[in-house]
Amino acid sequence: KQEVTQIPAALSVPEGENLVLNCSFTDSAIYNLQWFRQDPGKGLTSLLLIQSSQREQTSGRLNASLDKSSGRSTLYIAASQPGDSATYLCAVDAGNMLTFGGGTRLMVKP
Amino acid sequence: DAGITQSPRHKVTETGTPVTLRCHQTENHRYMYWYRQDPGHGLRLIHYSYGVKDTDKGEVSDGYSVSRSKTEDFLLTLESATSSQTSVYFCAISTLEGSTPQHFGDGTRLSIL
Repeated sequence: KQEVTQIPAALSVPEGENLVLNCSFTDSAIYNLQWFRQDPGKGLTSLLLIQSSQREQTSGRLNASLDKSSGRSTLYIAASQPGDSATYLCAVDAGNMLTFGGGTRLMVKP
Repeated sequence: DAGITQSPRHKVTETGTPVTLRCHQTENHRYMYWYRQDPGHGLRLIHYSYGVKDTDKGEVSDGYSVSRSKTEDFLLTLESATSSQTSVYFCAISTLEGSTPQHFGDGTRLSIL
């Protein structure tokens, strides 16, 4: 059974810092990996989707990498801002089902 | 905006009562999903649909049923609600070629007393 782990569970940084969120998964037989953002009381917003054949994806200040063989992904956030405060979730798709990690709760302080 | 509407947004009900949650999409995407989110368990798939009248079970389907009589609507029913089904329920759709859910609704907060 696929298991997805996110470290750290919570992170607090001052505004302007670059930061890295980590995601690991136990079964490398995946189609893709997604990073989502969830604000309190809201649904999930897809940030980046990396297909299994890709190594990384970039969108603005966000960069996600995927190392399928080692079962790891990282989400890099450059020049963090208070508006980046949210819970970040990674999820792997092994066919008709996303398996989610527990999330990293990020607080960016002004 | 993928145009997903969940209703109701909040509901409080009693153990043993039937409950139906609705997910409506404004486009005609084939794949639709129901997830529940609980502290300590994260998001887990309940049921999904890959077309009208085509549904399948997810990881935590016991106690739930679904129906999809129209492309745009996917209903989740708790036939006899239990306190363990208190949760936040999310509908999701796939807009990609393939089945990966990518767009989520704002959720329904369901409390069963």
